[in-house]
Amino acid sequence: EAQVTQNPRYLITVTGKKLTVTCSQNMNHEYMSWYRQDPGLGLRQIYYSMNVEVTDKGDVPEGYKVSRKEKRNFPLILESPSPNQTSLYFCASSLRGEGEKLFFGSGTQLSVL
Amino acid sequence: AQKITQTQPGMFVQEKEAVTLDCTYDTSDPSYGLFWYKQPSSGEMIFLIYQGSYDQQNATEGRYSLNFQKARKSANLVISASQLGDSAMYFCAMREGLTNDYKLSFGAGTTVTVRA
Repeated sequence: EAQVTQNPRYLITVTGKKLTVTCSQNMNHEYMSWYRQDPGLGLRQIYYSMNVEVTDKGDVPEGYKVSRKEKRNFPLILESPSPNQTSLYFCASSLRGEGEKLFFGSGTQLSVL
Repeated sequence: AQKITQTQPGMFVQEKEAVTLDCTYDTSDPSYGLFWYKQPSSGEMIFLIYQGSYDQQNATEGRYSLNFQKARKSANLVISASQLGDSAMYFCAMREGLTNDYKLSFGAGTTVTVRA
């Protein structure tokens, strides 16, 4: 089944404790992206990747890192999480092109205490 | 500047009636795509409908249609014959072309509540 797999689904952590949210897709998509969703703000792009070893900042990259060592994986790393990073996070992937729809993971609800 | 604007935070609609969700966009890219996604209370993002910037006709998918007015830069979603299962948050999104790395920008969303 074609899908984007995101883990974990829920995560509670404390300020400053490094964490990684994993994202994997099995559709051979070149394009992968991370979003955060906050009430009243919609989804905002954190980072995106056009292909292996190619990543770029989105609208809200501060406090986040990503890597794209393999085509299928695009982990999101919070080196030192802070409470303002409490949010719902989505990973998404697609083929390249303005007409290509994104396939979303099921989301990760992160709480930073 | 905001790329996608959804001015209706929340709407109520009676079951079986039609509802229109507003969306305006801003881009200088000549090639772009417009999408609508549905997010039910379970949280997943569900693709509904797509309109390309060069498409001459308005897109339709079942009970969903997109009212595309290019000159006004608007891409309103029309849901006909609303059902209780249509209660959800709806996001308008725009995917810009090669000059913008195919970036997808989302609006703030509109919450639709369907009343029986």
